[in-house]
Amino acid sequence: QQKVQQSPESLSVPEGGMASFNCTSSDRNFQYFWWYRQHSGEGPKALMSIFSDGDKKEGRFTAHLNKASLHVSLHIRDSQPSDSALYFCAATYGGSGNKLIFGTGTLLSVKP
Amino acid sequence: GGIITQTPKFLIGQEGQKLTLKCQQNFNHDTMYWYRQDSGKGLRLIYYSITENDLQKGDLSEGYDASREKKSSFSLTVTSAQKNEMAVFLCASSIEGFQDTQYFGPGTRLLVL
Repeated sequence: QQKVQQSPESLSVPEGGMASFNCTSSDRNFQYFWWYRQHSGEGPKALMSIFSDGDKKEGRFTAHLNKASLHVSLHIRDSQPSDSALYFCAATYGGSGNKLIFGTGTLLSVKP
Repeated sequence: GGIITQTPKFLIGQEGQKLTLKCQQNFNHDTMYWYRQDSGKGLRLIYYSITENDLQKGDLSEGYDASREKKSSFSLTVTSAQKNEMAVFLCASSIEGFQDTQYFGPGTRLLVL
């Protein structure tokens, strides 16, 4: 059974700082990695997906994928209090068991 | 744009009770999903449906039934609520399958007394 390991469990950064999250797949047969963000009391919202080695930048958010090590990271620069939320990574696996597997999440707190 | 509506927002049930959660989407998406969210365990797939009247089991389907009678709606039934159970049930939809972005509703919060 595929698993997605996410770290750290929680993170606190000052306003304007850099927040970084990590995620590793247990299975090499992933197609995409996704990053979702969930504010308290809401459903998760997709931030971005990545499937090629290297960096993908969207505004203040940068994802980095290393397929050889099955590792993806997300970096938020110039963090804002509104970025305080639960961040999930997820991986899409193909083949006969097509599915999306979520990590356990990282709780980010951005202190003003 | 579109929206996913989940009802009810909060659900308090008794042990052994059958409980039904409802989800509606106006994205005109083909695929709909039900996930369970427990603290510290991420999201786990209960059921999904790729089209009207289709049902596919996820990893957590035992103890649940689902129904997709219309393209726009997907309901989930907890067949026998477990005492002290507390979880958030999230409905989502996507254009086609797992390779597409999933759009989530706000969730139904379940507490079983």
